[in-house]
Amino acid sequence: AQSVSQHNHHVILSEAASLELGCNYSYGGTVNLFWYVQYPGQHLQLLLKYFSGDPLVKGIKGFEAEFIKSKFSFNLRKPSVQWSDTAEYFCAVNAYNTGKLIFGQGTTLQVKP
Amino acid sequence: EAQVTQNPRYLITVTGKKLTVTCSQNMNHEYMSWYRQDPGLGLRQIYYSMNVEVTDKGDVPEGYKVSRKEKRNFPLILESPSPNQTSLYFCASSKIQGGGTEAFFGQGTRLTVV
Repeated sequence: AQSVSQHNHHVILSEAASLELGCNYSYGGTVNLFWYVQYPGQHLQLLLKYFSGDPLVKGIKGFEAEFIKSKFSFNLRKPSVQWSDTAEYFCAVNAYNTGKLIFGQGTTLQVKP
Repeated sequence: EAQVTQNPRYLITVTGKKLTVTCSQNMNHEYMSWYRQDPGLGLRQIYYSMNVEVTDKGDVPEGYKVSRKEKRNFPLILESPSPNQTSLYFCASSKIQGGGTEAFFGQGTRLTVV
């Protein structure tokens, strides 16, 4: 069965620190990969996505993620976080041509000003 | 504007009183689903639908029902709510075919069952 694992449940950083959130998935076929962000009290919004092509994808607000197929990983990065990045981050996977998204447990990021 | 609309946003109800949370999308998406979000557990899928009149159980379907009579609507029904169904619920829709399958989420419904 498909599953998604996020390594860090709670991350605390100071402003300007670099961020990397780990995400691994288990599925042998072609996948689509996503990172969603949920700001306090809000719904999930898409940060970035990978369908095919360049494994380094850039999203909104300076976030990027790298798909490493051999490691089944899709880690999220940002060189310099801001206080406004405080949110919960979810990695998600779906098998190609299916609609179902499998989510990781989420990582709560707290950025201290 | 492309959107998924859920109603109500907040709901407090008593054990056993039937309720329905509505969900509507305007993007002509085939796939719609319901998730519940609980602390430490992330989002878990309750039910999904791949098209009109096609629904199936997700990972945590017990105590819930859905219907898909029209492509745009996908209501979530709790026939006899219990306190363990207190949670934050999200409806989502997406295409199925091809690469553009990112999900669009509604604003969420915070349900409290007392």
